[in-house]
Amino acid sequence: AQSVTQLGSHVSVSEGALVLLRCNYSSSVPPYLFWYVQYPNQGLQLLLKYTSAATLVKGINGFEAEFKKSETSFHLTKPSAHMSDAAEYFCAVGTSGGYQKVTFGTGTKLQVIP
Amino acid sequence: GAGVSQSPRYKVTKRGQDVALRCDPISGHVSLYWYRQALGQGPEFLTYFNYEAQQDKSGLPNDRFSAERPEGSISTLTIQRTEQRDSAMYRCASSWGVQETQYFGPGTRLLVL
Repeated sequence: AQSVTQLGSHVSVSEGALVLLRCNYSSSVPPYLFWYVQYPNQGLQLLLKYTSAATLVKGINGFEAEFKKSETSFHLTKPSAHMSDAAEYFCAVGTSGGYQKVTFGTGTKLQVIP
Repeated sequence: GAGVSQSPRYKVTKRGQDVALRCDPISGHVSLYWYRQALGQGPEFLTYFNYEAQQDKSGLPNDRFSAERPEGSISTLTIQRTEQRDSAMYRCASSWGVQETQYFGPGTRLLVL
């Protein structure tokens, strides 16, 4: 069984401030981990994914996430928030064998304050 | 090329009616997934196709839900005798292969009155 927990359903940051969105996972096998972003009225877009290569994963739009096995965490960060980063972010875990049966977290809505 | 498309984008129906939701994946993508997303929740896996074969339907809530992909391209998710609890966003995703990145469509928002 696999699951993810996202801490904080809503996060507010000031423009230019650090963005930190937290995600902890549970998986009985080595996981694939993902962060997706959802803008209003749009589909989910992949930000980045971890597939057991480098533990620090760089994604699009300046986001990155670090896989920490000892903490079972995969937190998403961005050094400086832009207004355009306001969206809902989903952490997800998938299986490393067979097809990608992905389990999503409940999401974190990011608000960027000017 | 075009992304994953879904139709209709919005569907309002009365309890007891059947609905069919369509997913048109990215051309050439062999894997296709259906998810359901309730308000305030993340997407929840429903079913998976590899080409035309439905290889996992473990996430379908009950036998009122069915899906097909007869020619390995377009897929239809059908809900029979809809109930109010079926109201949700239904999302489709496709990928080149079984371990490849899933690309999501915009979803169909279903409201059952």
